[in-house]
Amino acid sequence: QSALTQPASVSGSPGQSITISCTGTSSDVGGYNYVSWYQQHPGKAPKLMIYDVSKRPSGVSNRFSGSKSGNTASLTISGLQAEDEADYYCCSYAGSSSWVFGGGTKLTVL
Amino acid sequence: QVQLQESGPGLVKPSETLSLTCAVSGYSISSGYYWGWIRQPPGKGLEWIGSIYHSGSTYYNPSLKSRVTISVDTSKNQFSLKLSSVTAADTAVYYCARGSRYQLPPALYWGQGTLVTVSS
Repeated sequence: QSALTQPASVSGSPGQSITISCTGTSSDVGGYNYVSWYQQHPGKAPKLMIYDVSKRPSGVSNRFSGSKSGNTASLTISGLQAEDEADYYCCSYAGSSSWVFGGGTKLTVL
Repeated sequence: QVQLQESGPGLVKPSETLSLTCAVSGYSISSGYYWGWIRQPPGKGLEWIGSIYHSGSTYYNPSLKSRVTISVDTSKNQFSLKLSSVTAADTAVYYCARGSRYQLPPALYWGQGTLVTVSS
């Protein structure tokens, strides 16, 4: 059970759109529609942004969207804002009642 | 509003057992949902430790399964984590969380986290 692969960092300017990828295998990301995404600001607990690949919890901005193609899931943030600067983690069901996280991506808003 | 609060020793000696409790307010554990633990070593990513259903069914990370026990005490509306034979690699911020009615992750509600350091 290996960690999912995310880019270490991404950046964008305010108002732009960015996409963070999360690559796994057919045993996790590709095999199930149970991918979630978390936003974490320094010193804070993570916040759920997307679950079941593309669903948004109540209260999460519609600027955040999720998708999946094959073994890669993606989180897209449109209309980038300064407060979006944070670490982002993906998570996928990996079968046999187990779950695996990605290594995390640091988003910098330029 | 569901709130979770972790408690337990902040320092544990190598080879001993780490024990944490998560007190839940604003919701009765016995009413349902999955509950569990996720940890984050300093400066590193998140790791799912395990989950428990209100009925007591448990699910553990295979890499930690031999050392982990998660239990629930509905009378106190809290659940607990025990991790045995700890080493420095178990030093992390430990979060308790509530999942959905079907699984955890996804975790919608989180505790603030508690740092546990393994050191002699």
